[in-house]
Amino acid sequence: ETGVTQTPRHLVMGMTNKKSLKCEQHLGHNAMYWYKQSAKKPLELMFVYNFKEQTENNSVPSRFSPECPNSSHLFLHLHTLQPEDSALYLCASSQDEGRVETEAFFGQGTRLTVV
Amino acid sequence: AQSVTQLDSQVPVFEEAPVELRCNYSSSVSVYLFWYVQYPNQGLQLLLKYLSGSTLVKGINGFEAEFNKSQTSFHLRKPSVHISDTAEYFCAVSEKGGSEKLVFGKGTKLTVNP
Repeated sequence: ETGVTQTPRHLVMGMTNKKSLKCEQHLGHNAMYWYKQSAKKPLELMFVYNFKEQTENNSVPSRFSPECPNSSHLFLHLHTLQPEDSALYLCASSQDEGRVETEAFFGQGTRLTVV
Repeated sequence: AQSVTQLDSQVPVFEEAPVELRCNYSSSVSVYLFWYVQYPNQGLQLLLKYLSGSTLVKGINGFEAEFNKSQTSFHLRKPSVHISDTAEYFCAVSEKGGSEKLVFGKGTKLTVNP
């Protein structure tokens, strides 16, 4: 248990569905991240939030919509996804964005399958 | 921009054998270097990191890595592996003084066989 909890652990959704992924951390961290992990590809940083403000969007398609209502919670809203969006979505948190001296803690991920 | 190359996508070894997982990076500036481990159905966990100082870094579970600036490498080693070390291992780099975002390699799947 790393202190970062993601729900659900598994999600199967159709291309016309709308769903949300949730991430919660009780480590007192100020920065939260969404990563996408696809087979045979490097881990891709999607979004970064620091003190609830989005500080980075790595050219992610608009069908992925993040929300950070407070420093402890991060959501990823999904709509009209494509089969190639199937992947493991990992949430992480760290004390401060841009300070790698502080360790990033990862959740267990949500395995998303788009059918 | 920095990049990370993990040359071996899969490394099978026998239990109690030594192992080395290779990582090379590319960057125009000084870097921080990391190794993360991902056990089946788990998130990533930090094994060790190099920020500055001694080039030999010791991490959890008996792993260590050596930073070699001239060869731009940060290979991960363990003298004797266990079945429980079976996992995927990711090397990551971050540029000092830059955005300090982590850039990951594609990962190396270590399988320890009895």
